[in-house]
Amino acid sequence: RKEVEQDPGPFNVPEGATVAFNCTYSNSASQSFFWYRQDCRKEPKLLMSVYSSGNEDGRFTAQLNRASQYISLLIRDSKLSDSATYLCAVNTGGFKTIFGAGTRLFVKA
Amino acid sequence: DAGITQSPRHKVTETGTPVTLRCHQTENHRYMYWYRQDPGHGLRLIHYSYGVKDTDKGEVSDGYSVSRSKTEDFLLTLESATSSQTSVYFCAISDFGSETQYFGPGTRLLVL
Repeated sequence: RKEVEQDPGPFNVPEGATVAFNCTYSNSASQSFFWYRQDCRKEPKLLMSVYSSGNEDGRFTAQLNRASQYISLLIRDSKLSDSATYLCAVNTGGFKTIFGAGTRLFVKA
Repeated sequence: DAGITQSPRHKVTETGTPVTLRCHQTENHRYMYWYRQDPGHGLRLIHYSYGVKDTDKGEVSDGYSVSRSKTEDFLLTLESATSSQTSVYFCAISDFGSETQYFGPGTRLLVL
């Protein structure tokens, strides 16, 4: 079993839709959690950190469920420009950050 | 955007040749990382550095070595390139006390 797992998708959604991604992790001692966005042939860029209480940034909401060991990303009112691959990342302590393989999102007009 | 550059951005080489990739940062961040990204595997850590001349192995370090002689530069060397090392290589940095990593633009390496 991979330490961090994501549904690879692709998720195909129309503009304006709400879409949610989950990411599960296996190490219960994991401490920090992140969502990155990666455009085609580009580097990953930090989208948002995930806090225990959940956090929101505009149309994006991230949540952490420690009991079930997953993090989620909710995108509301999807835009064409949201089309990308979304990577979750889990820091298990020190320098060890494990990245998921990513979930691809296509937003269509 | 964080000030991270990688060179070269693209490289084609032959099996058995040595290859060195360079990562340069202008952020004065203490920690630097080398990852490779392959379809279905996501980003996998090759080596990391926690200071000048302080480096350690990551998950997939076999066949790779690194050096960091200055805060701003982190070099990744493939001693004798193999086709299995064909990949996209990303450098990342993070600051002291933070787990947030910022990535360079990547190097696409093809080993024939």
